[in-house]
Amino acid sequence: AQSVTQLDSHVSVSEGTPVLLRCNYSSSYSPSLFWYVQHPNKGLQLLLKYTSAATLVKGINGFEAEFKKSETSFHLTKPSAHMSDAAEYFCVVSDPTGANNLFFGTGTRLTVIP
Amino acid sequence: NAGVTQTPKFQVLKTGQSMTLQCAQDMNHEYMSWYRQDPGMGLRLIHYSVGAGITDQGEVPNGYNVSRSTTEDFPLRLLSAAPSQTSVYFCASRRPNTEAFFGQGTRLTVV
Repeated sequence: AQSVTQLDSHVSVSEGTPVLLRCNYSSSYSPSLFWYVQHPNKGLQLLLKYTSAATLVKGINGFEAEFKKSETSFHLTKPSAHMSDAAEYFCVVSDPTGANNLFFGTGTRLTVIP
Repeated sequence: NAGVTQTPKFQVLKTGQSMTLQCAQDMNHEYMSWYRQDPGMGLRLIHYSVGAGITDQGEVPNGYNVSRSTTEDFPLRLLSAAPSQTSVYFCASRRPNTEAFFGQGTRLTVV
């Protein structure tokens, strides 16, 4: 069975400091992994995806994530937080078998302090 | 290119009423799904479809029906609304083994 665990429900950083949002996954197969962002009262936007190519994945707005199979992790990072990064972030794993469904973590709310 | 379009954006229902949430995509994606989003629980899969005429249940299907008569449309029906169905609903479409594209959501309140 596929699942993801987002280790922090809320992260607070100062503007200009690094961002780290943690995600661990469980998968019986080689997974596809995604990070989505949701700004208040908006839909979900894809930040980046890992689909078994390079383990360091670059996304939009300066975000990156590194796939570490030995640690079953896919943490999201950004060197310098901006006020506009304040949002909810979801780590998502794709079941590569059967219906190929997506399984969402419970989300991490990022607050950026001016 | 509209992507995934959901209607309505907001809806208030009385307990016991029925309604249909509409979802349409113009990307010719095979896969479509409905999720509900509740605080602290992420998005949970209600129903999904891997092609026209094929639907199946997700994690939380009770109280909902779906059909997929065309590739483009995937409506979600609430048979008899209950307060526990108060939530934000998202429709998504995708090709196999790729990312999903989401609609803007429907905020449903059942009183």
